[in-house]
Amino acid sequence: GAVVSQHPSWVICKSGTSVKIECRSLDFQATTMFWYRQFPKQSLMLMATSNEGSKATYEQGVEKDKFLINHASLTLSTLTVTSAHPEDSSFYICSATQAKSRGFGNEQFFGPGTRLTVL
Amino acid sequence: AQSVTQLDSHVSVSEGTPVLLRCNYSSSYSPSLFWYVQHPNKGLQLLLKYTSAATLVKGINGFEAEFKKSETSFHLTKPSAHMSDAAEYFCVVRANFGNEKLTFGTGTRLTIIP
Repeated sequence: GAVVSQHPSWVICKSGTSVKIECRSLDFQATTMFWYRQFPKQSLMLMATSNEGSKATYEQGVEKDKFLINHASLTLSTLTVTSAHPEDSSFYICSATQAKSRGFGNEQFFGPGTRLTVL
Repeated sequence: AQSVTQLDSHVSVSEGTPVLLRCNYSSSYSPSLFWYVQHPNKGLQLLLKYTSAATLVKGINGFEAEFKKSETSFHLTKPSAHMSDAAEYFCVVRANFGNEKLTFGTGTRLTIIP
């Protein structure tokens, strides 16, 4: 149980185009999903926290107009990188927490990641 | 505020020998602590977690970690390394108050020498 998927697993796009990445909780409902980015050989940096039915909360330094997050249902959150540039190339990872177990000890279940390359 | 320091960016051990990956943390509140493993181009897998219960935590694949409040440490150990343990390991802290944000350490790359 508690499986999170991401689609696509990798994407290559031209500079200036937009790319959408999907994050799905396959066997549980997730009120909260998180988006991270990871540069090569570096740690994960939280970009934003997404709650179902409300606006995402972005971390300091993350452009909300560039990284659009939509969490329209309890099993799906999307991250759209708008007008992508080569510096946006990175590994994007989402995670989700189960709706029925809020509070201490919540585990985040991570997706397998999406590698974005912007040419 | 919370932070995590992984003391070694790279650890190499021979197959069959013990593994020690070091982690120190700071947190304004009683923390939950996690170790995750990441294989190349893969997502993160939870190895084990500490959430204010037993201070010695056993995880998957023979790994364990001990929470030492006096030393603010949460080191990861395994008695005998296996080739399949080669990966990146992240120590992670979450404050047990308020939001669910995780703070990641910078990672330790574990290399296993045949």
